[in-house]
Amino acid sequence: KQEVTQIPAALSVPEGENLVLNCSFTDSAIYNLQWFRQDPGKGLTSLLLIQSSQREQTSGRLNASLDKSSGRSTLYIAASQPGDSATYLCAVASYGGATNKLIFGTGTLLAVQP
Amino acid sequence: GAGVSQSPSNKVTEKGKDVELRCDPISGHTALYWYRQSLGQGLEFLIYFQGNSAPDKSGLPSDRFSAERTGGSVSTLTIQRTQQEDSAVYLCASSLSQDTYEQYFGPGTRLTVT
Repeated sequence: KQEVTQIPAALSVPEGENLVLNCSFTDSAIYNLQWFRQDPGKGLTSLLLIQSSQREQTSGRLNASLDKSSGRSTLYIAASQPGDSATYLCAVASYGGATNKLIFGTGTLLAVQP
Repeated sequence: GAGVSQSPSNKVTEKGKDVELRCDPISGHTALYWYRQSLGQGLEFLIYFQGNSAPDKSGLPSDRFSAERTGGSVSTLTIQRTQQEDSAVYLCASSLSQDTYEQYFGPGTRLTVT
C-alpha cells in the first residue's frame, strides 16, 4: 500500500530565504507525482507535475525533483515571499488497479514572515 | 477556459438528512475523481469515473455514499442519512484521461453535519 510522508509538517522562514520541502513515498511504481498548494478554506492549486520518466520540473521560482528509486521528491522555493504562505501537498499516482488515483501526503504548512 | 466547479460551496445539514454535491469538470476531461479532506484523515480518494462508468469505487466509506456521472460531464455525489463523521470538504478533480495527466481540482464543498 502506497504511503506518502511530508517533512517538515510546518515551517516558518523570513522573506527572501530559499527553502526545501520534502516528500517521500514507499512504492516506487508511480505514474507521476504532483505538488499542490492549498490556501486556507480553498481548493488545491497544481504547482508542478513530474512524470515517472522525468527527474525534475521547473516553474518560475519553483523547482521539483523526483528520485523514484529512493522514493523521494523535493520542492525547492527560491527567494520566498509572504504570498507563498500556504499548505503544500505532494501526491503520487501509483500503478495498479483501474485508476491513477492520487495518494496524498499530510502536507507542509509554510509561513513566510515579511 | 473554465476550471472545475463545485456546488454548493458550503452545506449545513442535520444528521440523518440526505445531501447531493455537484461537480462540473473541465470540458473535454474524461476522467473525474472525488476526494474528501477531513481533519482526522487528511485527503483521501473516494471514487473515480472514466466517462460515465466508475471502475474504482474503493474509497467510498460506506453504502450511504454513492455517485453518478451523466453525459460524460457532470457528476453528483450523494450521501444518504448523513452522520457527523461525514463532515469534511469534498473535492472534485478532473483530468484529460486517466493515464498520466495532471489532475485539476475544484474549490470543494464544505459539508457540516449538525
